[in-house]
Amino acid sequence: DQQVKQNSPSLSVQEGRISILNCDYTNSMFDYFLWYKKYPAEGPTFLISISSIKDKNEDGRFTVFLNKSAKHLSLHIVPSQPGDSAVYFCAASQGAQKLVFGQGTRLTINP
Amino acid sequence: DTGVSQDPRHKITKRGQNVTFRCDPISEHNRLYWYRQTLGQGPEFLTYFQNEAQLEKSRLLSDRFSAERPKGSFSTLEIQRTEQGDSAMYLCASSPVSNYGYTFGSGTRLTVV
Repeated sequence: DQQVKQNSPSLSVQEGRISILNCDYTNSMFDYFLWYKKYPAEGPTFLISISSIKDKNEDGRFTVFLNKSAKHLSLHIVPSQPGDSAVYFCAASQGAQKLVFGQGTRLTINP
Repeated sequence: DTGVSQDPRHKITKRGQNVTFRCDPISEHNRLYWYRQTLGQGPEFLTYFQNEAQLEKSRLLSDRFSAERPKGSFSTLEIQRTEQGDSAMYLCASSPVSNYGYTFGSGTRLTVV
């Protein structure tokens, strides 16, 4: 069963505009959520996270929003830059155990 | 500390052969995880260790797969009698205990021909 879902396999955004990546989850016991970024031939790198007791966390150009009632989180990148082109994975954890990942969304930033 | 190291980066093997991958975690990290990623999918959990103890194994980890972490340092993942379906990127990650953020290695890409 796919507990974490990213329903958009790809997203194309113009440089300077906002990129919004979405993620849905089914397990209400998840208490921590993370976004990872992956370039080809590299492992995923941590980007930003949020605890289930919060609904927003911001770090520079990156903001993650959590809607627990809808079991939905999103990552906003503003302004988008060419170097943001990568595959983005959302992940969820219950009690600092293993991470469960979504399928990923390939973000392309166009000049 | 150069982060999480995985060796080899690439491995091509014939079906039926055994392969072994190595992961060296960040030295102060107690936890070590193995994940597998296939094309178009996110990383899938295989197993994890806290120090030398293997605490959880996924049902994805068939009897042909075995992982060890002797002395709580580096870890090895062995696949016996490889099948074409084993072709994937095998990712290792480490973290301190009670820290949700993993640090991943660059992975070992396995191709079974």
